[in-house]
Amino acid sequence: GENVEQHPSTLSVQEGDSAVIKCTYSDSASNYFPWYKQELGKRPQLIIDIRSNVGEKKDQRIAVTLNKTAKHFSLHITETQPEDSAVYFCAASKTGANNLFFGTGTRLTVIP
Amino acid sequence: NAGVTQTPKFQVLKTGQSMTLQCAQDMNHNSMYWYRQDPGMGLRLIYYSASEGTTDKGEVPNGYNVSRLNKREFSLRLESAAPSQTSVYFCASSVDAGETQYFGPGTRLLVL
Repeated sequence: GENVEQHPSTLSVQEGDSAVIKCTYSDSASNYFPWYKQELGKRPQLIIDIRSNVGEKKDQRIAVTLNKTAKHFSLHITETQPEDSAVYFCAASKTGANNLFFGTGTRLTVIP
Repeated sequence: NAGVTQTPKFQVLKTGQSMTLQCAQDMNHNSMYWYRQDPGMGLRLIYYSASEGTTDKGEVPNGYNVSRLNKREFSLRLESAAPSQTSVYFCASSVDAGETQYFGPGTRLLVL
């Protein structure tokens, strides 16, 4: 099956700086890559996703890049704010497949 | 529009007891999922239901059973709870397989 690795496990940044979280996947057939944000005690919530027919997608301060050849994708958060502090999970899946394979999460702390 | 709902929010069981976790969605989604979340291990798929009347095993199905009662409801049953099943359980749903998954608020289960 698919194996998704996520780094780093913890990340601290100063407010206003950028944060980057990286994930690699093993199955070259995977073509759907969502990112979820989970605040303490809350449900995971989708913040952005990308499909393998594009290399980059942006939504305001959040962007995701995908390198299919290297089988890795990254989350970029610019101008970080304290409310960005949470655990972020990457995941990978294939079109039409039910299995969504998650990374082990990155705890992001934004220091005011 | 409540999205995905789960009951109960918290539960404490003794080893060997049984219980059923309930999940319902009002988004007319075809696919539904059960995950468990353990510290440092991300979310792992227990069972899923691609459509009403079908269920399939995910990554970690041992010790669990599921029922897709109708299109809205998908329950998870622990027949004989074990301490290793102490976890946070999330239900999710998506329009179809491979589409964005939306999560419920979770059930925190402690097995003593």
